Amino acid sequence: GENVEQHPSTLSVQEGDSAVIKCTYSDSASNYFPWYKQELGKRPQLIIDIRSNVGEKKDQRIAVTLNKTAKHFSLHITETQPEDSAVYFCAAHEGDSNYQLIWGAGTKLIIKP
Amino acid sequence: GAGVSQSPSNKVTEKGKDVELRCDPISGHTALYWYRQSLGQGLEFLIYFQGNSAPDKSGLPSDRFSAERTGGSVSTLTIQRTQQEDSAVYLCASSLGGDSPLHFGNGTRLTVT
Repeated sequence: GENVEQHPSTLSVQEGDSAVIKCTYSDSASNYFPWYKQELGKRPQLIIDIRSNVGEKKDQRIAVTLNKTAKHFSLHITETQPEDSAVYFCAAHEGDSNYQLIWGAGTKLIIKP
Repeated sequence: GAGVSQSPSNKVTEKGKDVELRCDPISGHTALYWYRQSLGQGLEFLIYFQGNSAPDKSGLPSDRFSAERTGGSVSTLTIQRTQQEDSAVYLCASSLGGDSPLHFGNGTRLTVT
């Protein structure tokens, strides 16, 4: 089955700098890769997703890139702001199931003022 | 519109007692997921319902855990003979199925004393 690894587990960046979180997956049949943001004490919420027919997707300050050959995808946040502080989870659709998402362990992003 | 609703928001129970956690998904969402999240940890998959198909129960940690979804809508997660290690936040999510975004509820924080 699918396995998703996420790095780093904690990331601390200066406000205004960029942050990059990386995930690798094992199932080459996986074709959908969402990213969720969970602020402290709140529910996870989808912030961006990408499908395997594209290599990059952008939405204002956030972007996701996908390398199907290497089986990895990354979240990029530019011009970080205090409200970006949260835990970010990546996920991959398990190719042989009915859209069961396999989740990364999460990255705690800390924005230093 | 209304989001995913979970009740109760908090539940404190004594070890050995049974508990029922309820999830009201977004109307029209055919897919429903239960996850468990321990403090500072990731999302542990428990069970997945999709339409009228047999649920994917592969994540249930023991036979003390069960879940049902009546009429394709409301779902109840039952934990029998609760143990202290069951203490966690239990999150429910629903979606339109396929690779549609998951919408999470606020969760039920379960504390077993």
